[in-house]
Amino acid sequence: AAGVIQSPRHLIKEKRETATLKCYPIPRHDTVYWYQQGPGQDPQFLISFYEKMQSDKGSIPDRFSAQQFSDYHSELNMSSLELGDSALYFCASSLGGGDVHGYTFGSGTRLTVV
Amino acid sequence: QKEVEQNSGPLSVPEGAIASLNCTYSDRGSQSFFWYRQYSGKSPELIMFIYSNGDKEDGRFTAQLNKASQYVSLLIRDSQPSDSATYLCAGLGAGSYQLTFGKGTKLSVIP
Repeated sequence: AAGVIQSPRHLIKEKRETATLKCYPIPRHDTVYWYQQGPGQDPQFLISFYEKMQSDKGSIPDRFSAQQFSDYHSELNMSSLELGDSALYFCASSLGGGDVHGYTFGSGTRLTVV
Repeated sequence: QKEVEQNSGPLSVPEGAIASLNCTYSDRGSQSFFWYRQYSGKSPELIMFIYSNGDKEDGRFTAQLNKASQYVSLLIRDSQPSDSATYLCAGLGAGSYQLTFGKGTKLSVIP
């Protein structure tokens, strides 16, 4: 079965650079969520989109922005990168917002800021 | 502040034993709860979800929810070394799009 696809798998950037992470949800899923997981930490919710509109916002820094496109894929844009942005970034998708059956997570993008 | 609390562990059990993982939550509005398994460096994998009081069984896994006590647990029977991972408890509030995760409990199953 198709899963949530994230790209790239690994990304190394220097401080103050920008990065773009991409997420392709499971086919027919209309809701996308972004989470950030620092080393040894639990995943922290950043932002979600339902039907291409922002549906909820968590602890996403102002330096980050995201959007969901007409094909339901989503991109997380990160600017002025800081060392503390080094983390695993997970995208998840579901059919409908707040899907009681839970999200399906992608394999994640490991961002390292040097 | 909506919080989900878990013992960080590590929890060590011998192979074949029952592993018991516990979670409490502070938001009485939380409707659904999820247990995810996460191997180091990998993404969380959904094990079970529960939204009604009582027990829910799926194979070797049993989730228990007590809304009055704001308590969720996961029992793993006949624990296997491959069950060694971090288990994340997460809650979803009514009408919410975001999961609130606990810090996770690291489980080690000793052969």
